[in-house]
Amino acid sequence: RKEVEQDPGPFNVPEGATVAFNCTYSNSASQSFFWYRQDCRKEPKLLMSVYSSGNEDGRFTAQLNRASQYISLLIRDSKLSDSATYLCVVNKFIGGGADGLTFGKGTHLIIQP
Amino acid sequence: EPEVTQTPSHQVTQMGQEVILRCVPISNHLYFYWYRQILGQKVEFLVSFYNNEISEKSEIFDDQFSVERPDGSNFTLKIRSTKLEDSAMYFCASSRDSELSSYEQYFGPGTRLTVT
Repeated sequence: RKEVEQDPGPFNVPEGATVAFNCTYSNSASQSFFWYRQDCRKEPKLLMSVYSSGNEDGRFTAQLNRASQYISLLIRDSKLSDSATYLCVVNKFIGGGADGLTFGKGTHLIIQP
Repeated sequence: EPEVTQTPSHQVTQMGQEVILRCVPISNHLYFYWYRQILGQKVEFLVSFYNNEISEKSEIFDDQFSVERPDGSNFTLKIRSTKLEDSAMYFCASSRDSELSSYEQYFGPGTRLTVT
């Protein structure tokens, strides 16, 4: 089983629509969860951290289900500038040291005018 | 807004040559990382570094790789004898500390390494 699994897409969505991405992770010891976005040939940029209670930042809402080892990202009122690859990222926090991040392959989103 | 910087943006080298990739992490960050991304594939962790020593490394980070913090600002990745399969984008990242709420990693723009 892959460590972090995402639907690669592409998701073709009209501007203004709502789109949701899902992600599952295999390591039940994982403690930190993130969504990053990556534009073509650019670095991953942190979009938001995902907390147990779920969190919202403007048009973006992230949720975590530890029991099902499942993370989601919802984008409301999508803009053309939201077109990118969205990376589901998991970290195993062991304390006292720095864990590497485990990345999914990403979900490609295309917002159409 | 402070950011991670990396040089060079693109490096072309011949197989068997040594390369050094350079990074300047965000100034008040304590943890530093290297990742790579082969074209069309996912981002992969190589190594993390804290307090002048390696904290964790992946199985990709074998004896041909080394990291160093030669001064108070730079963080380098050396590849001793490059292979064709080392061709990838190499990203440096940094994070402020190990507390859960501050564990967010910020990435530099990357160095594209092409081995011919």
